[in-house]
Amino acid sequence: DAGVTQSPTHLIKTRGQQVTLRCSPISGHKSVSWYQQVLGQGPQFIFQYYEKEERGRGNFPDRFSARQFPNYSSELNVNALLLGDSALYLCASRTQGLAQETQYFGPGTRLLVL
Amino acid sequence: AQTVTQSQPEMSVQEAETVTLSCTYDTSESNYYLFWYKQPPSRQMILVIRQEAYKQQNATENRFSVNFQKAAKSFSLKISDSQLGDTAMYFCAFMKLRAGANSKLTFGKGITLSVRP
Repeated sequence: DAGVTQSPTHLIKTRGQQVTLRCSPISGHKSVSWYQQVLGQGPQFIFQYYEKEERGRGNFPDRFSARQFPNYSSELNVNALLLGDSALYLCASRTQGLAQETQYFGPGTRLLVL
Repeated sequence: AQTVTQSQPEMSVQEAETVTLSCTYDTSESNYYLFWYKQPPSRQMILVIRQEAYKQQNATENRFSVNFQKAAKSFSLKISDSQLGDTAMYFCAFMKLRAGANSKLTFGKGITLSVRP
């Protein structure tokens, strides 16, 4: 089975622009989470979606938004980009059952804001 | 709020030897999961091992095992017979266990492990 996929792999933007990152979960997984990983640090939680509803939001400004589609894929949008938004953006999917609580990560999208 | 602390930024080990990576966490929750993830230079985050807090038995996965001390809130990873492919950044992570709740992972800062030939 295919793992979590993300697109694009790399992206270069300038300050003030907007960006959309995409994620497709593992088949059968209905929950998608987004994380931001700044170089040399652990990932920080941004959003979690389950069945197209937001289930959690991390400490990120309103410039960050996300949505989940009926096929459980997801998009992360970041508006008015700042230099500090440069990071690796990771998407993770998981099954919902309590006995299956493991998140599987995609390869990430490397965003560089100039 | 939960916190995860990995106080060792870097470690090095000779190939075929054993190394232990430390992690401590702080939480008021009684039911939770703990994870070790590996992130090689290619950057794909890979699950190494998972421990359910309600299980007293330490988890093992081939060459990887954990020492889970719930009272001390300690969760260390032991890698036996280290291989060159084990070179990576290793993250300790915490997740609350609660039906229907946000299942966010809280990560430590990570430790860079280098395996020497």
